[in-house]
Amino acid sequence: LAKTTQPISMDSYEGQEVNITCSHNNIATNDYITWYQQFPSQGPRFIIQGYKTKVTNEVASLFIPADRKSSTLSLPRVSLSDTAVYYCLVGPYSSASKIIFGSGTRLSIRP
Amino acid sequence: NAGVTQTPKFRVLKTGQSMTLLCAQDMNHEYMYWYRQDPGMGLRLIHYSVGEGTTAKGEVPDGYNVSRLKKQNFLLGLESAAPSQTSVYFCASSSISRGNDNEQFFGPGTRLTVL
Repeated sequence: LAKTTQPISMDSYEGQEVNITCSHNNIATNDYITWYQQFPSQGPRFIIQGYKTKVTNEVASLFIPADRKSSTLSLPRVSLSDTAVYYCLVGPYSSASKIIFGSGTRLSIRP
Repeated sequence: NAGVTQTPKFRVLKTGQSMTLLCAQDMNHEYMYWYRQDPGMGLRLIHYSVGEGTTAKGEVPDGYNVSRLKKQNFLLGLESAAPSQTSVYFCASSSISRGNDNEQFFGPGTRLTVL
């Protein structure tokens, strides 16, 4: 199972773009990269998933280089409500049971 | 749709007592999971189920049992609670037919304290 490494914490300000990078050096060929967001006292919420290059949805963008050994979650123009813990997960498609949540990145947004 | 619901929301047990946590989902998902989350930590998979009548062990299964008699329900049991099982328990479900195959939908959690 691919292990992920991400910063423990990050700080930013409202209106800024925030990029959170995740390292996954031993990612396997059939692994996908998935990001979740968790607010205090709530369950995690799916943000975005990708395999290679770039994926964008209404919430975020996910950038994956050609070697796939890292990925970057990009949050455009953050607000105070984006303060949360963000988890990077790597695992095989159709095998969600093999997904491992790490400790995540605690993102704090200031006014 | 209510999504994923968990019962109860809070519970305090004494060491040695037993209890069952109930998870229900109304999205007709095939997969269901039980996780625990300790303070400042990520989620760890306890048990999971890929369909009605089937269960499997996750990363930290010891001290827990599960059952999935109906597709929409997944029960987590603690036969003899220990203080080390004090945690927040999350249930989740996912479908094998969605585009984002690894997307899990989580419940609100059950905060369990074992004294």
